[in-house]
Amino acid sequence: QSVLTQPPSVSAAPGQKVTISCSGASSNIGSKTVSWYQQLPGTAPRLLIYDNNKRPSGIPDRFSGSKSGTSATLDITGLQTGDEADYYCGAWDIRLNGGVFGGGTKVTVL
Amino acid sequence: EVQLLESGGGLVQPGGSLRLSCAASGFTFSSVAMTWVRQAPGKGLEWVASIGESGDTYNADSVKGRFTISRDNSKDTLFLHMHSLGVEDTALYYCVKGGIGRVQGIDPWGQGTLVTVSS
Repeated sequence: QSVLTQPPSVSAAPGQKVTISCSGASSNIGSKTVSWYQQLPGTAPRLLIYDNNKRPSGIPDRFSGSKSGTSATLDITGLQTGDEADYYCGAWDIRLNGGVFGGGTKVTVL
Repeated sequence: EVQLLESGGGLVQPGGSLRLSCAASGFTFSSVAMTWVRQAPGKGLEWVASIGESGDTYNADSVKGRFTISRDNSKDTLFLHMHSLGVEDTALYYCVKGGIGRVQGIDPWGQGTLVTVSS
């Protein structure tokens, strides 16, 4: 049971938009920044979004993040087959005094 | 270019010990927090431990008292000392630059080293 809650899967057709939610609590998302990670099949994860809504260099602007209260959201627009991957949200939890991840969301391009 | 190369994984019996290493290059290692994250086969990511620039350490409850994160800044190397291993510790262990509690997130990730706990 992950501290952060994500839907197990989302899907959409190429070119469409998917939204992945990440629900937490006041001790994590509610008080700390959220980061998002993409894990393509058979590879190590990589950072997609940091500080709730910032993209590292090289990450397309099709990926965007937001946060409101104790929840965060990752949007992927203009969906491509290469976006098929597992996506994880992460944050620090001040009550646990440790890092926490969501359970991961599998994105499928129909 | 930042590079993180993990080593030290392998097959170990329940109750055994193992030391993972992560050789870092391409950045000023001593100025950066570092993190271990693991992923059990077919499962999601689990934060294991982090160490700050000044050596402050943080551990997941699931490994507290059994795992110790440390660093040797003179050798640009991160370690994870693992004791009293159980089958639930079987996973791919990633070394990652940064601290997940930091604004910048954690990145990049190494390729991981596989730890298998089995009799």
